[in-house]
Amino acid sequence: QQPVQSPQAVILREGEDAVINCSSSKALYSVHWYRQKHGEAPVFLMILLKGGEQKGHEKISASFNEKKQQSSLYLTASQLSYSGTYFCGTVSTSGTYKYIFGTGTRLKVLA
Amino acid sequence: EAGVAQSPRYKIIEKRQSVAFWCNPISGHATLYWYQQILGQGPKLLIQFQNNGVVDDSQLPKDRFSAERLKGVDSTLKIQPAKLEDSAVYLCASSRDPTGELFFGEGSRLTVL
Repeated sequence: QQPVQSPQAVILREGEDAVINCSSSKALYSVHWYRQKHGEAPVFLMILLKGGEQKGHEKISASFNEKKQQSSLYLTASQLSYSGTYFCGTVSTSGTYKYIFGTGTRLKVLA
Repeated sequence: EAGVAQSPRYKIIEKRQSVAFWCNPISGHATLYWYQQILGQGPKLLIQFQNNGVVDDSQLPKDRFSAERLKGVDSTLKIQPAKLEDSAVYLCASSRDPTGELFFGEGSRLTVL
């Protein structure tokens, strides 16, 4: 039931790109992306509502394929500050609008 | 705009004792969530309220956990009796509606000895 994210962990050098995927077994109303740094609460990055919609936030963008129930987060020219754990948050269309988080992807950016 | 307030920030108890966490959401936010986050894992939804009604509590261990949101504003999560495996950070979050962005409190870190 919990959305599955891939990869589980990734290590990058500054300036490199990364893609994080989120896949749900349920039909989704929306997908949200969060970044959490160690010892802190998750911080909202962006929300995607429509099939195929793509949004951007600085050098971070995301897409949402409503039909496949999948979303991808794109990190371009990564910076040290991008390090942390990324979670997708999903709202399903199954009536209750229950909000659950994915399994998480740990990202480490090295200088 | 004030953020989500949680207390206490830290709590250490022995197993079989009880503990309560309090959360005050952002004013006007109808939806309130309690998540349990064990180190290295993603937040696990314990209970989701819409105003003062329960939307989902399917993963709340009801034999020991209880939560209420009186008057549709602040909320309390209680654990009684606590077990070692309850050691985690308990995150409270709120949103304007069930489909919107979640705003998190700083979390309450529980250690059960």
